[in-house]
Amino acid sequence: DIQMTQSPSTLSASVGDRVTITCRASQSISSWLAWYQQKPGKAPKLLIYKASSLESGVPLRFSGSGSGTEFTLTISSLQPDDFATYYCQQYNSYSWTFGQGTKVEIK
Amino acid sequence: QLQLQESGPGLVKPSETLSLTCTVSGGSISSNSYYWGWIRQPPGKGLEWIGSIYYSGRTYYNPSLKSRVTISVDTSKNQFSLKLSSVTAADTAVYYCARLLSPLSSGMDVWGQGTTVTVSS
Repeated sequence: DIQMTQSPSTLSASVGDRVTITCRASQSISSWLAWYQQKPGKAPKLLIYKASSLESGVPLRFSGSGSGTEFTLTISSLQPDDFATYYCQQYNSYSWTFGQGTKVEIK
Repeated sequence: QLQLQESGPGLVKPSETLSLTCTVSGGSISSNSYYWGWIRQPPGKGLEWIGSIYYSGRTYYNPSLKSRVTISVDTSKNQFSLKLSSVTAADTAVYYCARLLSPLSSGMDVWGQGTTVTVSS
């Protein structure tokens, strides 16, 4: 099984900050990585797919990069609506695995 | 607009079988552009993929749950279902159904609101 490790687990930031979350895969997954945002009591929302493709309707301040085993999600200027938990997810050979999540808190 | 809705018992006794259904509205489950999946989230914890199914009935399961999971599809009702046998308290979670884009590397773009299942006697 492919394991996904996110860092940090918690991130404290202020509105306007540039925020970066890292996700590492236990083996190469090419660019088969997605990022989700989840708010309390709500279902996850797809932000990024194929490592760097922005889902329709997602603000341009969100971006993704990476390939192989290391990936990043960047929020260029953190907005009040962005305080949430973020998950990476890999796909490989009809199997999916999520990272453990990164909670972005208000500093 | 495509919508997914989970339904099923909110309380299941230990050792019994958890059964949930996801009803797809606003689109066809038989589209060859999508797969369908179940994901769960224990209280205060992260997301865990349970399994996925294609409208043809082909299934893929999380190896850690494979021995207890069955996912099926009913194209006539535009539904797919989850059965998880021999449940324990560790299976208490919010269960989500979701649409998986094809190619499968493209993520899960539509989710149900989730349904809470508690395993308790």
